[in-house]
Amino acid sequence: TQLLEQSPQFLSIQEGENLTVYCNSSSVFSSLQWYRQEPGEGPVLLVTVVTGGEVKKLKRLTFQFGDARKDSSLHITAAQPGDTGLYLCAGANAGNMLTFGGGTRLMVKP
Amino acid sequence: GAGVSQSPSNKVTEKGKDVELRCDPISGHTALYWYRQSLGQGLEFLIYFQGNSAPDKSGLPSDRFSAERTGGSVSTLTIQRTQQEDSAVYLCASSLGPFQETQYFGPGTRLLVL
Repeated sequence: TQLLEQSPQFLSIQEGENLTVYCNSSSVFSSLQWYRQEPGEGPVLLVTVVTGGEVKKLKRLTFQFGDARKDSSLHITAAQPGDTGLYLCAGANAGNMLTFGGGTRLMVKP
Repeated sequence: GAGVSQSPSNKVTEKGKDVELRCDPISGHTALYWYRQSLGQGLEFLIYFQGNSAPDKSGLPSDRFSAERTGGSVSTLTIQRTQQEDSAVYLCASSLGPFQETQYFGPGTRLLVL
């Protein structure tokens, strides 16, 4: 069974602060996806990283896939209240379903 | 175009009753997935349909859970003899092709078993 551990589980910060969310596994994934989920809605895909060491930027969000493709991080610069939500990582392998992490609940206070 | 829709959005039922949850995927998407999400937690895979192939039921937690997909489009997840531990948000997703394609999620059905 492939498992993805996300940390921290909860994060409450002030507007303007920076933060990093981690997604770790002992398993290798062919790709890793990050989703954001807002209350009452389904998860929405933010990014997919495929290559070990890959870094992708989406405005104030920076996503990195570990060199060994076992871990990933999401860094948010100058967090805004609109960033509040549940962040989920999900690992994929050929022939297998997505394995989701437990999620990081982020609250950004104005 | 329209996204994935699910109905009902909320369902309250009594322990022991059967419930049916419906998912309308995005038109043209051949893959359909059901997940379960406990309060504020990650997603637990339940079942996967791809085209006309036999579904992957490996995530169904018990034989009280079943799902079908008629005509390669609409899917129904049925939970028989509901238990309180079945209370969760049930999410449906569809993708253009199998697994590693981007999955588009519906808003979910919030099930509460009293």
